Amino acid sequence: DGGITQSPKYLFRKEGQNVTLSCEQNLNHDAMYWYRQDPGQGLRLIYYSQIVNDFQKGDIAEGYSVSREKKESFPLTVTSAQKNPTAFYLCASSIKGIGYNEQFFGPGTRLTVL
Amino acid sequence: DQQVKQNSPSLSVQEGRISILNCDYTNSMFDYFLWYKKYPAEGPTFLISISSIKDKNEDGRFTVFLNKSAKHLSLHIVPSQPGDSAVYFCAATGAQKLVFGQGTRLTINP
Repeated sequence: DGGITQSPKYLFRKEGQNVTLSCEQNLNHDAMYWYRQDPGQGLRLIYYSQIVNDFQKGDIAEGYSVSREKKESFPLTVTSAQKNPTAFYLCASSIKGIGYNEQFFGPGTRLTVL
Repeated sequence: DQQVKQNSPSLSVQEGRISILNCDYTNSMFDYFLWYKKYPAEGPTFLISISSIKDKNEDGRFTVFLNKSAKHLSLHIVPSQPGDSAVYFCAATGAQKLVFGQGTRLTINP
């Protein structure tokens, strides 16, 4: 089955610790994205990557970092510099780069920082 | 600066009736619009889209209408079913990143 997987579904971390969220896709999509969803707000773009070994900052990149060493994988690290990291994180992919392409979403990871 | 706005946080509709979800945008460069449906603790799933060269797109029970002059789009669901209860996001793009609205929680009552 083709799709996007995110793990884990729930993640708890202590304040001040870095944490890495996993995102893998087997859809052979070129582009991948990370969004953050907070209650009562839409999805806000953190980072996106249109091709392997290249990525760009989205609207709220501060306190986050990413890598894109493989086409299938786009891990997101939430660093201790992120002031309010508790949120629902969504990974998505699309056939080509951003624009007129439907994005397919993973199931999400809920991160809670204690 | 909220470029895509869904001004109704919630909507309650009786089963079998029409659900109408609204979305407004401010950026005149947007020319492609999408609706996503999201259940709790899951990722959004694509529902329907419309290009700015059209004013209507239909897919089964779902129809999206676009009024470019008013910078307004709406999603109609007819007839509404219990499984339609979810949060609906509209999104817009102008060949750049997707910009999402805040979402509208639709509840279908039996």
